[in-house]
Amino acid sequence: QSALTQPASVSGSPGQSITISCTGTSSDVGAHNHVSWYQQHPGKAPKLMICDVSDRPSGISDRFSGSKSGNTASLTISGLQAEDEADYYCSSYTGRSTPYVFGTGTKVTVL
Amino acid sequence: EVQLVESGGGLVQPGGSLRLSCAASGFTFTDYWMSWVRQAPGRWLEWVANIKPDGTETEFLDSVKGRFTISRDNAKKSVYLHLNTLRAEDTAVYYCATQSSTNHKYWGQGTLVTVSS
Repeated sequence: QSALTQPASVSGSPGQSITISCTGTSSDVGAHNHVSWYQQHPGKAPKLMICDVSDRPSGISDRFSGSKSGNTASLTISGLQAEDEADYYCSSYTGRSTPYVFGTGTKVTVL
Repeated sequence: EVQLVESGGGLVQPGGSLRLSCAASGFTFTDYWMSWVRQAPGRWLEWVANIKPDGTETEFLDSVKGRFTISRDNAKKSVYLHLNTLRAEDTAVYYCATQSSTNHKYWGQGTLVTVSS
C-alpha cells in the first residue's frame, strides 16, 4: 500500500485561503468516504482536523473544510493565520490488510 | 481530559527487542480499538498495528508482520507494542492513538525508537 500523494509545500499570506490536495487510488480515497486530515506542529502529536471527508470534530475551527472528488481529497484553510503554519497529513481507510494509509505530508507556510 | 502517554522507547541494536507501553486516561478505554502509528525522522506517518477493544483481533503493517505484536490490558487501560528483530528502518517516533472506524482522534506525544549499532 503506497502513501497518498500530497504537495510538499503550500504557502499563503495571512487572511488568504489555501488548498492542499491528497491523491490516492480507487482502492483507498476513491473507494471510501473515510478521508481524514491531521495537523502536526513540529515536535508535537498529530491533531485530527477533519474526518469522513468533510466533518469537523468538536472544537475545530470552521476555517478548515474538506472535500473529495474521485481519487483526490482536499483540505481548504480559509482566513489563514500564523498558528496554521504546520505539517498537514491526509489519511484514508482502505478496507484492506493495511486498513489505514497516510499521505506524504504538506508543509504549510504563512508568509 | 483525554491523555495517552507512551513509554519504553530507546536505543537498541539491530536484531534487538523493545516493548512500548501506552497508558490511557480520560475516556472509556474499552470503547476503542487502539492503534500504533510511527513516523521516521523527516518522514510521514505510517500506521503500524491495531487491536480490538477486547483484544481478540489484531492487524499489522505487512513489513512488521511476524516481528511486532500488540496487546492490551483493559484493567490497566494500557496498550503495548512488542518490537522484535528490529531493523534500522524501524527507527521512528511511535505514537499510540485511539481508532474509530474511520480515523484516529486522540494521540499520545510519542516515544522514540532508534535502531542502530
